[in-house]
Amino acid sequence: QSALTQPPSVSGSPGQSVTISCTGSRSDIGLYDRVSWYRQPPGTAPQLIIYDVSDRPSGVPDRFSGSKSGNTASLTISGLQAEDEADYYCCSYRGDSAVVFGGGTKLTVL
Amino acid sequence: QVQLVESGGGVVQPGKPLTLSCAASGFTFSSFGMHWVRQAPGKGLEWVARISYDGSEKTYADSVKGRFTVSRDNSKNSLFLQVNSLRPEDTAVYFCAKSPMFYYDSSGYYVHWGQGILVTVSS
Repeated sequence: QSALTQPPSVSGSPGQSVTISCTGSRSDIGLYDRVSWYRQPPGTAPQLIIYDVSDRPSGVPDRFSGSKSGNTASLTISGLQAEDEADYYCCSYRGDSAVVFGGGTKLTVL
Repeated sequence: QVQLVESGGGVVQPGKPLTLSCAASGFTFSSFGMHWVRQAPGKGLEWVARISYDGSEKTYADSVKGRFTVSRDNSKNSLFLQVNSLRPEDTAVYFCAKSPMFYYDSSGYYVHWGQGILVTVSS
């Protein structure tokens, strides 16, 4: 099972918006509306920020939003803040109770 | 609150076995499927294995199938990953993660993760 494809890095200035793409296939993102996104600061466990394509767990600011079109999902972070700097991973259900992750994107806040 | 604590990591020689444990608390362990996810140093996340709430169903990533065995002891609120024939490419931080819904493993996301345990395969 191949990993989902994410850009290695994105950057933006405080207050701006950035979008991270995540491309899969017809067997994962294209087939299931079960895309999730995680934020991972260095040395810590991943933190869920989006599930089921566009739902936010309680406590996650509405600056974080998710969407999907075909085999590609996207995470948009608006009103960038310094504390948003971290690695971001997408994840999709792929059947048989298994998931596949993206390679990760490093977000730099300039 | 939900707590997941991994243990059993360390430096292991290639070809040797190792068993990782994940101690769970703060929820009814026997009602939730559990998963293992790993992360090689400086690399991305990789899903490894899953076990159903009652241990009757197990699924593995192709990269570990036949070498890794996931199990659980619901009487001790514990999850295990037995790792055989270790390879240098198995060097990673191993996380245990909890399925978010009772008895259902197909949600595709994880709210609760352990802090991770490092396994280093080196001679």
